[in-house]
Amino acid sequence: KAGVTQTPRYLIKTRGQQVTLSCSPISGHRSVSWYQQTPGQGLQFLFEYFSETQRNKGNFPGRFSGRQFSNSRSEMNVSTLELGDSALYLCASSDFYEQYFGPGTRLTVT
Amino acid sequence: TQLLEQSPQFLSIQEGENLTVYCNSSSVFSSLQWYRQEPGEGPVLLVTVVTGGEVKKLKRLTFQFGDARKDSSLHITAAQTGDTGLYLCAGRRGVSSGNTGKLIFGQGTTLQVKP
Repeated sequence: KAGVTQTPRYLIKTRGQQVTLSCSPISGHRSVSWYQQTPGQGLQFLFEYFSETQRNKGNFPGRFSGRQFSNSRSEMNVSTLELGDSALYLCASSDFYEQYFGPGTRLTVT
Repeated sequence: TQLLEQSPQFLSIQEGENLTVYCNSSSVFSSLQWYRQEPGEGPVLLVTVVTGGEVKKLKRLTFQFGDARKDSSLHITAAQTGDTGLYLCAGRRGVSSGNTGKLIFGQGTTLQVKP
């Protein structure tokens, strides 16, 4: 099976802009979770989608949103970007117990 | 509040040495996973432990889940330079449908194995 894919791998944006990141889970996996990884805070949970519904949400502001499509592909959106949003954004797909991560999207906000 | 405390945060050893990384919590986890991550890449799943007291071996790596399912350890025997990376433990609090996807991560242990 193909692994989790994320696009784009690298992104540079300016403060105030918005960005959309994409994730394609492992075939057959219906749960997709998103995490933000920074050197200071480590890996922090953003949200989880299952069958097109948000099932869990972390402690992030409303500028962070996501959605899942009927084919389980997921997108996350960050509006009004801030410098502190610079991070590695990781997507993970799950078959229940185990989560498998994609390579991440490195977002740099200048 | 960090629910999962990993120690040590940094470890630099010579090739051939043994090491242990600890992951501790005051909370009970239904399962715990260990990942290894290289710079600029996503974490790669090494193992999942589910049962209290469970021990799993993956070649030179031994993983243990505490009897009370509050802590875990990763032991590497005869470390090699290829073991270098960031090791992360991650726990899942519940197995109900409302909590399946959320993993709580430790801060990570950066391991450097020198030749």
